[in-house]
Amino acid sequence: RKEVEQDPGPFNVPEGATVAFNCTYSNSASQSFFWYRQDCRKEPKLLMSVYSSGNEDGRFTAQLNRVSQYISLLIRDSKLSDSATYLCVVGSYNTDKLIFGTGTRLQVFP
Amino acid sequence: DAGITQSPRYKITETGRQVTLMCHQTWSHSYMFWYRQDLGHGLRLIYYSAAADITDKGEVPDGYVVSRSKTENFPLTLESATRSQTSVYFCASSPEETQYFGPGTRLLVL
Repeated sequence: RKEVEQDPGPFNVPEGATVAFNCTYSNSASQSFFWYRQDCRKEPKLLMSVYSSGNEDGRFTAQLNRVSQYISLLIRDSKLSDSATYLCVVGSYNTDKLIFGTGTRLQVFP
Repeated sequence: DAGITQSPRYKITETGRQVTLMCHQTWSHSYMFWYRQDLGHGLRLIYYSAAADITDKGEVPDGYVVSRSKTENFPLTLESATRSQTSVYFCASSPEETQYFGPGTRLLVL
């Protein structure tokens, strides 16, 4: 079983739609959680950190469920520019390493 | 204002040749990382470094060598390139948990 699992998609949604991605992780000792965005043939870039209480950044909302060990990302009012691959990332306590999921691809169409 | 850079951006080499990929960051981040990204596997950690002269293996270190004589540089060497090392290589640096990625090096081993 992979340490971080994501549905690869693609999720094809129209502009203005709301879309949600989930991610599960296997290590209950995981302490830090992130969503990264990766555009085609580019480097991953931090989208947002994920906190236990949930957090929002504009149209993006991230949630963490430690009991079920999953992380979610909700994108409201999708824009064409949101088309990318979204990577779920998990770090364990007291380690310097992050584990990356294989990503969920989002395609927003006009 | 370069942040983190990688060179070369593209490289074609032959099986058995030694190849060195360069990574340079201007932030003085303590941690640096090398990943490879392949379809179906996502980002996999090759080696990482917590500080100058301190390096450690990641998930897929075989066939690679790293060094870190200066904080800002973290070169990755393929001692004898194999076709299975054809990949996109990303370097990242981190002050603590969040990692910032370079633009990547696309390596083709013939």
